[in-house]
Amino acid sequence: GQNIDQPTEMTATEGAIVQINCTYQTSGFNGLFWYQQHAGEAPTFLSYNVLDGLEEKGRFSSFLSRSKGYSYLLLKELQMKDSASYLCAFMDSNYQLIWGAGTKLIIKP
Amino acid sequence: SQTIHQWPATLVQPVGSPLSLECTVEGTSNPNLYWYRQAAGRGLQLLFYSVGIGQISSEVPQNLSASRPQDRQFILSSKKLLLSDSGFYLCAWSGGGRDTGELFFGEGSRLTVL
Repeated sequence: GQNIDQPTEMTATEGAIVQINCTYQTSGFNGLFWYQQHAGEAPTFLSYNVLDGLEEKGRFSSFLSRSKGYSYLLLKELQMKDSASYLCAFMDSNYQLIWGAGTKLIIKP
Repeated sequence: SQTIHQWPATLVQPVGSPLSLECTVEGTSNPNLYWYRQAAGRGLQLLFYSVGIGQISSEVPQNLSASRPQDRQFILSSKKLLLSDSGFYLCAWSGGGRDTGELFFGEGSRLTVL
């Protein structure tokens, strides 16, 4: 079967670093996505990993280990505007996205 | 540049009433189109997707239906809404071909069924 799991909620301090983990199980895999979703708004694309390793994009980095079925999103120098939900999703063998429930990130001053 | 727009943004409907949500994409041709529903505390649930005019795939059996009358228009409908249809509905598009997966979402439509 397929499943994907990420923590429901995390809290971090402005200026700090936070890592949001995502684990998945699937027989067919065509990449892993991270999206950011502010409350009441649509998700927006953050990153895509299809090979193992770390992809860095400014303050955000995403890591993938296909053998472990594991990914994380790393956010550095946290800002208040980073308060949002972060959605993890993998693309299965049918090229459909399977979504996690999202991690609500709360940033405190 | 490509844009996607869906409407209405918010609606409150009584149980048993009909529904029509509309989504249009500009600046691209032959996009893959999707309707998702997002319930509180749950992941995005794919309802329908379309790879071309008149081609609709349904992922979840329900009282909803979708249509694609034009290349860049995608409509979500219901003849009789249920309480369980409440949620945040998102239209999205992606480029054709299997090597692209990034989704571009519309603004979302929040439906409350009373």
